[in-house]
Amino acid sequence: AQTVTQSQPEMSVQEAETVTLSCTYDTSENNYYLFWYKQPPSRQMILVIRQEAYKQQNATENRFSVNFQKAAKSFSLKISDSQLGDTAMYFCAFMGAGGTSYGKLTFGQGTILTVHP
Amino acid sequence: DTGVSQNPRHKITKRGQNVTFRCDPISEHNRLYWYRQTLGQGPEFLTYFQNEAQLEKSRLLSDRFSAERPKGSFSTLEIQRTEQGDSAMYLCASRYRDSGTGELFFGEGSRLTVL
Repeated sequence: AQTVTQSQPEMSVQEAETVTLSCTYDTSENNYYLFWYKQPPSRQMILVIRQEAYKQQNATENRFSVNFQKAAKSFSLKISDSQLGDTAMYFCAFMGAGGTSYGKLTFGQGTILTVHP
Repeated sequence: DTGVSQNPRHKITKRGQNVTFRCDPISEHNRLYWYRQTLGQGPEFLTYFQNEAQLEKSRLLSDRFSAERPKGSFSTLEIQRTEQGDSAMYLCASRYRDSGTGELFFGEGSRLTVL
């Protein structure tokens, strides 16, 4: 079974600064996907960024980038130029790429990020 | 396309009552998932459907829980004889089977409070 661990229950950052959220995972699978989802207060969860395990290059989406260390099973999210709208709960999630695992997410406990003006 | 829709958004019930939640996925999505999220925790997988077939159920889904997707479109999640431990946010998500991204699209959730 897969596990995902987010060791930072809460983080805060000043507007326009950079913050990094940590995530580690454990799996015996070789092919999988990793995601960061954002859940604003009372709003639905939306995808921030995804990474395929077979790709060595770290994914980037505008101000969001990841540091994917496959051997260390680490998958951190860096948010640059933080904005007030980034305030949300952030979840790291794992998805196996084979069989019935595909499409089924295992989530971490979440990190509450607060961006201060 | 209005996204994944869930109803009701909030349900308060007394212990022992039955409740039913409905999920309307994005129209062309043939896979539908139910997750449960307790306060301050990440969502936990409950069950999923491909079209009308329920393909997997988590051990979290006790006998009091039943999910259906009768025509491969909307889905319902029923909880019988609710207990206080059932209090949680119930999230529905959907995706197209052949989507290469693996991305799930989530609804806003149905929050259950059992008194």
